[in-house]
Amino acid sequence: EPEVTQTPSHQVTQMGQEVILRCVPISNHLYFYWYRQILGQKVEFLVSFYNNEISEKSEIFDDQFSVERPDGSNFTLKIRSTKLEDSAMYFCASSEKPGSEAFFGQGTRLTVV
Amino acid sequence: GQNIDQPTEMTATEGAIVQINCTYQTSGFNGLFWYQQHAGEAPTFLSYNVLDGLEEKGRFSSFLSRSKGYSYLLLKELQMKDSASYLCAVTSNQAGTALIFGKGTTLSVSS
Repeated sequence: EPEVTQTPSHQVTQMGQEVILRCVPISNHLYFYWYRQILGQKVEFLVSFYNNEISEKSEIFDDQFSVERPDGSNFTLKIRSTKLEDSAMYFCASSEKPGSEAFFGQGTRLTVV
Repeated sequence: GQNIDQPTEMTATEGAIVQINCTYQTSGFNGLFWYQQHAGEAPTFLSYNVLDGLEEKGRFSSFLSRSKGYSYLLLKELQMKDSASYLCAVTSNQAGTALIFGKGTTLSVSS
């Protein structure tokens, strides 16, 4: 069964450092997303990406965040200068078309120290 | 803005039926999703409602009333493995194709 894969599964980084979280969406999906979930809190939308550009972003997705689809398979989230409050589980998701179910990757647990 | 409300916690016993409610306020509603999330894992899709009424899928059913801004997830013949968080999420014109999640309902199933 096709799945969304994310690497790494865990990442520890020092405050102020840049991190890149990687995702391989399901191959025939066209819509890509990043969500985050701070421990014990709800899943929060960060950004959606379609046709090689950002289609929506939330207030959380400020200038320290960026996304890229560097090739035909990878979809990355970069956090430029990490802060303690960026510590969370980051989920990548993809869907085939608008309104269809989104499939989530297993997540990257980011810890900023 | 958007607001999604669910009960924080529920408990039930094996074999029972449980109903998890969700109310929402949003403009330009497009659809409502239910996801299941086990602790430390990714959300997995359970159901999708865009029109009023009941959608049934095995032991799980979901209902939507757009006029009332209300949905419920019905779980029948509960099993221990159903212990998880159940997340209500909406899509709307405000956020395009993005899922906006509620805080989730943690269901504990005991024997």
